[in-house]
Amino acid sequence: GENVEQHPSTLSVQEGDSAVIKCTYSDSASNYFPWYKQELGKGPQLIIDIRSNVGEKKDQRIAVTLNKTAKHFSLHITETQPEDSAVYFCAASTLYSGGSNYKLTFGKGTLLTVNP
Amino acid sequence: DAGITQSPRHKVTETGTPVTLRCHQTENHRYMYWYRQDPGHGLRLIHYSYGVKDTDKGEVSDGYSVSRSKTEDFLLTLESATSSQTSVYFCATQHGEIYNEQFFGPGTRLTVL
Repeated sequence: GENVEQHPSTLSVQEGDSAVIKCTYSDSASNYFPWYKQELGKGPQLIIDIRSNVGEKKDQRIAVTLNKTAKHFSLHITETQPEDSAVYFCAASTLYSGGSNYKLTFGKGTLLTVNP
Repeated sequence: DAGITQSPRHKVTETGTPVTLRCHQTENHRYMYWYRQDPGHGLRLIHYSYGVKDTDKGEVSDGYSVSRSKTEDFLLTLESATSSQTSVYFCATQHGEIYNEQFFGPGTRLTVL
């Protein structure tokens, strides 16, 4: 089955700096790669995603890149702010055999701390 | 958040007792999922449903059962709770086919003593 590795497990940056979180996946059939942000005591919230036919996607200060050949994708946060502090999860998604819903396999998460 | 609520939000129980967690959604999403979240393991899929009365196992399904009698409700049951099932449980929904996002509920923190 799919295996998703996420690095680093913790990341501390100064406010205004950039943060990069990287993930690799094993199943070449994976075709959808979402990123979730989880604040303390809350459920994960989708912040950005990328499909396999796209190499990069941006949404204001957040961007995600995908390299299908190397099977890795990354989350980039620019001009970090204290409210960006949270746990971030990457995931890779494959279509269930014979079905139409998608199975998400998650990385183990990155605790991002943005210091004022 | 796809109008997802989970109940209870917190529960403490004793080993050997049955426990049922409820997930309720108001968006008429077809697919529903139960995950558990543990330190060092991230989110792992327990069971999922692809329609009323249609369910299947995820990667950590041992000791859990599910039921979905209505589109809006997905129940997770621990028939005989064990301390290894102490965790935070999240329900998620997905609208339908083709690259659709999963939306997560607020979670239930379960402690088995």
